[in-house]
Amino acid sequence: QSVLTQPPSVSGAPGQRVTISCTGTSSNIGAGYDVHWYQQLPGTAPKLLIYGNSNRPSGVPDRFSGSKSGTSASLAITGLQAEDEADYYCQSYDSSLSGWVFGGGTKLTVL
Amino acid sequence: QVQLVQSGAEVKKPGASVKVSCKASGYTFPTYDISWVRQAPGQGLEWMGWISAYNGNTNYAQKLQGRVTMTTDTSTSTAYMELRSLRSDDTAVYYCARNPAALGYLSDYWGQGTLVTVSS
Repeated sequence: QSVLTQPPSVSGAPGQRVTISCTGTSSNIGAGYDVHWYQQLPGTAPKLLIYGNSNRPSGVPDRFSGSKSGTSASLAITGLQAEDEADYYCQSYDSSLSGWVFGGGTKLTVL
Repeated sequence: QVQLVQSGAEVKKPGASVKVSCKASGYTFPTYDISWVRQAPGQGLEWMGWISAYNGNTNYAQKLQGRVTMTTDTSTSTAYMELRSLRSDDTAVYYCARNPAALGYLSDYWGQGTLVTVSS
């Protein structure tokens, strides 16, 4: 059972917009700790996609965006492409556990 | 360019220990912490802990306290993760990753992963 809660799966057609939610508690996201997002393509290592709730590392397309409010965060992907099919993980820090916590991951299927 | 290159796959028996290495290049090794994250087959990511490559300070996940040790060798820019008293549920891909402290609690570059299989 992951500390951060994500939907197991989402799907969308090419060109559409999808969002992935990440729900935490008052000891992690709600305590003000930043949320980060990673993309994991099949058989590869995770890749940093969004950091500090809404910032994109160099090279990440602006189709990807992040937001945070209260005890939750969201990742939005617009203009879906086949290459976006991957697992997506949110991550934050938890003060009760004194460590990092991840969401369970969301599998994005591009129809 | 930043690279983290990990050691090869391992097969271990229950009760044994495993030590995975992670050689960094393309940046000044002591200026970043190194995290270790594992992923069991078909499962999500699990944070194991981090080590400061500057002074060796560590922070381990509560679940693994007493079984895991993280170390670094600044002379070779290599980080190590040793896990003892292996169980079948330790079977996973183990990743090392670099932490850019200035950006917060996250990792920006990851190793390719090392599969550790625990089986009798």
